[in-house]
Amino acid sequence: GENVEQHPSTLSVQEGDSAVIKCTYSDSASNYFPWYKQELGKGPQLIIDIRSNVGEKKDQRIAVTLNKTAKHFSLHITETQPEDSAVYFCAGSGWGSARQLTFGSGTQLTVLP
Amino acid sequence: EAGVTQFPSHSVIEKGQTVTLRCDPISGHDNLYWYRRVMGKEIKFLLHFVKESKQDESGMPNNRFLAERTGGTYSTLKVQPAELEDSGVYFCASSHAGFGETQYFGPGTRLLVL
Repeated sequence: GENVEQHPSTLSVQEGDSAVIKCTYSDSASNYFPWYKQELGKGPQLIIDIRSNVGEKKDQRIAVTLNKTAKHFSLHITETQPEDSAVYFCAGSGWGSARQLTFGSGTQLTVLP
Repeated sequence: EAGVTQFPSHSVIEKGQTVTLRCDPISGHDNLYWYRRVMGKEIKFLLHFVKESKQDESGMPNNRFLAERTGGTYSTLKVQPAELEDSGVYFCASSHAGFGETQYFGPGTRLLVL
């Protein structure tokens, strides 16, 4: 089955700096890679996703890149703000009908004011 | 549009007791998933319903866990009898029918087994 590795487990950045979180996956059949943000006491919320036919996707301060050959994908947050502080999860899923998500272990991002 | 709701938000029970968690998906979502996060580790898949049918229950840890989805609407996850290692946060997610649809997560139920 799929295995998703996520690094780092914790990340502290100064407000205004960029943050990068990296994930690798094992199953070459995986084609859908969402990123979720989980704030304290809340459930995971989708912030951006990417499909295998795209190498990069951007939404305002958030971008995701995908390298299918190397089987890794990354989340980039620019101009970080204190409200970006949360746990971020990457995930992978197969193509086709609705499938389960395989998650990474999470990254606790702290943005220092 | 109301999001995915889960009840209760927290549950503290003793080993050997029974607990039932409930999930109400977003209206019209055929797909319903249960996931669990234990001890700060990754979120792990438990099972997947399409309407009232179990599509994939490969992540269910053992036969102490029983999930149902009445009439293809809300779902319950019963743990009987509960063990210490069942402690964690149980998430429910739902999505539209079809391919590659976004899964929307509920706030989770925090279960502590003493």
